[in-house]
Amino acid sequence: AQSVTQLGSHVSVSEGALVLLRCNYSSSVPPYLFWYVQYPNQGLQLLLKYTTGATLVKGINGFEAEFKKSETSFHLTKPSAHMSDAAEYFCAVSDGRSSASKIIFGSGTRLSIRP
Amino acid sequence: DADVTQTPRNRITKTGKRIMLECSQTKGHDRMYWYRQDPGLGLRLIYYSFDVKDINKGEISDGYSVSRQAQAKFSLSLESAIPNQTALYFCATSDLNSGANVLTFGAGSRLTVL
Repeated sequence: AQSVTQLGSHVSVSEGALVLLRCNYSSSVPPYLFWYVQYPNQGLQLLLKYTTGATLVKGINGFEAEFKKSETSFHLTKPSAHMSDAAEYFCAVSDGRSSASKIIFGSGTRLSIRP
Repeated sequence: DADVTQTPRNRITKTGKRIMLECSQTKGHDRMYWYRQDPGLGLRLIYYSFDVKDINKGEISDGYSVSRQAQAKFSLSLESAIPNQTALYFCATSDLNSGANVLTFGAGSRLTVL
């Protein structure tokens, strides 16, 4: 069965520093992978996704993630953190590639930005 | 107007009461989902529907029921609410033809059961 593990429930970085949020997945089939972001008092919105092709995926707000099959990882990075990046981030995997597939979420990582 | 609208946004109720959370969408998506969010647990799938006549249980369906009244409407009911159902509930939609099943979320319904 597919699953997602996010390492670190809370990450704190200084403004301007590198952001690295870790995600490892388990999947019996080539996965679809996602990062979603949740700002305070809002629903989740898609940050980026990997389906096929290029393993480095660029998303909104300067974020990117790299699919590494050998490491079963899909870590999220941003070169320079901004105060507006403070939010909760969820990694997710599709439990298949059929039309009946569902999305399974990790437990989330709260990102704090220090001035 | 939001693409996915949830009502109510906040609700406080007492143990044993029946509660309905409603979701409507203007995306024209065929798939709709109810998730529950708890701190440290991420989002867990309660029920999902791939079309009006197709309802499926998710990983935590006990104590919940759903109704897909139309393609655009998907309601979640708690027949007899209990305190451990206190959580933030999200409705989401996706398009069968989108390929990767990208979800569009509502703003959430915060439920407190006393």
